[in-house]
Amino acid sequence: QLQLQESGPGLVKPSETLSLTCTVSGGSISSSSYYWGWIRQPPGKGLEWIGCVYYSGSTYYNPSLKSRVTISVDTSKNQFSLKLSSVTAADTAVYYCARVVVDANNWLDPWGQGTLVTVSS
Amino acid sequence: SFELTQPPSVSVSPGQTASITCSGDKLGDRYASWYRQKPGQSPVLVIYQDTKRPSGIPERFSGSNSGNTATLTISGTQAMDEADYYCQAWDSGTAVFGTGTKVTVV
Repeated sequence: QLQLQESGPGLVKPSETLSLTCTVSGGSISSSSYYWGWIRQPPGKGLEWIGCVYYSGSTYYNPSLKSRVTISVDTSKNQFSLKLSSVTAADTAVYYCARVVVDANNWLDPWGQGTLVTVSS
Repeated sequence: SFELTQPPSVSVSPGQTASITCSGDKLGDRYASWYRQKPGQSPVLVIYQDTKRPSGIPERFSGSNSGNTATLTISGTQAMDEADYYCQAWDSGTAVFGTGTKVTVV
């Protein structure tokens, strides 16, 4: 059964770069049928798409975050990563990684358990 | 920009039917997915491609999508169905989520 696990610092200072890694187990990140995505959820609020990456390295980003986001993939480690630069308190959220199934349309399944990142000095 | 709007809350009695709507411009021209999120947990896919249920999702969950509205229907609602529900569609390579609906079983 495919599982995804987020990891990274739980506290980041304002203006610094948030870095998270998602480790995929129970399946290969190099499958042509999937993208690998990041989603976030501020405390008490709704879900926001950040972006996704294909095993080849091609990416799609949310236009509202594109200038600050980099998503990359490491197929040798079966991992993909998120970097969000110049963070502020508004970037405080639970960050989820998820598999994006590519078909007639795409859907997100499964999701990782999520990791809370707080931006504070 | 493409936006999806849901009612903030829906209340339903046990055993009754809950309907959650998701509105967006010409949403019926796209596929919709639905996710359930229980408190303190990550979202779980319950409907994809408008009407399909992943394995493990009970038959009481069903979906439809036409015109400007997608609908998630929970028939014979149980206490365990109490959660937040989010619709989702794609716009130019970006996943767009609905505003979310809290389903309360009372």
